[in-house]
Amino acid sequence: QLLEQSPQFLSIQEGENLTVYCNSSSVFSSLQWYRQEPGEGPVLLIALYKAGELTSNGRLTAQFGITRKDSFLNISASIPSDVGIYFCAGDNNAGNMLTFGGGTRLMVKP
Amino acid sequence: NAGVTQTPKFQVLKTGQSMTLQCAQDMNHEYMSWYRQDPGMGLRLIHYSVGAGITDQGEVPNGYNVSRSTTEDFPLRLLSAAPSQTSVYFCASSQQGVYEQYFGPGTRLTVT
Repeated sequence: QLLEQSPQFLSIQEGENLTVYCNSSSVFSSLQWYRQEPGEGPVLLIALYKAGELTSNGRLTAQFGITRKDSFLNISASIPSDVGIYFCAGDNNAGNMLTFGGGTRLMVKP
Repeated sequence: NAGVTQTPKFQVLKTGQSMTLQCAQDMNHEYMSWYRQDPGMGLRLIHYSVGAGITDQGEVPNGYNVSRSTTEDFPLRLLSAAPSQTSVYFCASSQQGVYEQYFGPGTRLTVT
């Protein structure tokens, strides 16, 4: 895959912090993080546009690598409703051509 | 606003049958896309459209047709269904110049 995500699966205790990584050999003009709940479509969490950009959305923090080839998403103080599949997606500056990573499935144990 | 809607939610087809997956959005977005989601593969782009009358192929277009006669609707047609097309299909829309995409709830398709 063009975008490699790690880990593929994560099981943590409520209250723990976690980080998901996204790496590519390709350069992207923007990098987005989505969360998908069972039976639903992905929902945008954070969008990154500038190299090195660090952005927060509540308990979520994400950064776009300075080479525009990698990113991480950090979730602090996890709660059970954080469960789902987390995807990174990169735009290759061709408008609507989003490339998705394989996803990270998160479980949070109460 | 309903956002992005998709019908049907579930569908079972026999090999060789054809069908159309419907997608509509009420946000006046120019861009619309179709993705398929297979286990462990993330989402892969099938076809996309940057406006009414304009469509283009994505990563995995074979076996699928699209058309865009209005801004609101972007149907996906399976010409002759094959078991390899068993998947969950998502439609998405976005504004021109804005990369964030809004996804529909998906259609789960099984081809036997």
